[in-house]
Amino acid sequence: AQSVTQPDIHITVSEGASLELRCNYSYGATPYLFWYVQSPGQGLQLLLKYFSGDTLVQGIKGFEAEFKRSQSSFNLRKPSVHWSDAAEYFCAVGPSNDYKLSFGAGTTVTVRA
Amino acid sequence: SAVISQKPSRDICQRGTSLTIQCQVDSQVTMMFWYRQQPGQSLTLIATANQGSEATYESGFVIDKFPISRPNLTFSTLTVSNMSPEDSSIYLCSVEATDTQYFGPGTRLTVL
Repeated sequence: AQSVTQPDIHITVSEGASLELRCNYSYGATPYLFWYVQSPGQGLQLLLKYFSGDTLVQGIKGFEAEFKRSQSSFNLRKPSVHWSDAAEYFCAVGPSNDYKLSFGAGTTVTVRA
Repeated sequence: SAVISQKPSRDICQRGTSLTIQCQVDSQVTMMFWYRQQPGQSLTLIATANQGSEATYESGFVIDKFPISRPNLTFSTLTVSNMSPEDSSIYLCSVEATDTQYFGPGTRLTVL
């Protein structure tokens, strides 16, 4: 069975500082990996995805993520955080054949001035 | 990508009643999904709805409680039946396009 762990429930970061959100997955084959962001009162927006190829993936809003097979990780990073990045971030994993996703518990990011 | 809309965006309902949530997508898609997000929680898949077939429900969810319709390739509805306060959640629909799920804005349901 597939599963996702996001070890950090809540992260507080200063505006302009770097951000890294951790994601570890369990899946028997090569997974499809996703990061979504949910702003307060909103639906989920896709930040980036990894299917295969280059293990460093660029996404929207200046985010990137790196797939590390040996560590079963897909951590999300941003070099300089903006106040608008305050939101809930979800990592998700899924197989290619039925497109069902398993979501992590989410990490809440607070940005302080 | 796909642009997805949901109606209503939010509602407050009395226990014992039912609410039907609509999901409309701007392009034809084969697979649509319905999720529940309980307060402060992550997303849990309720069911997969493919056009022309019965919805497939995940463990813990049953058709009598969450009937789903999928009349065409751009539309689906989820009904939350005989509601109780425990059904207070955000309900989201999503669609699969290019091996990726895209989500609607969600319906915030409060049951009193």
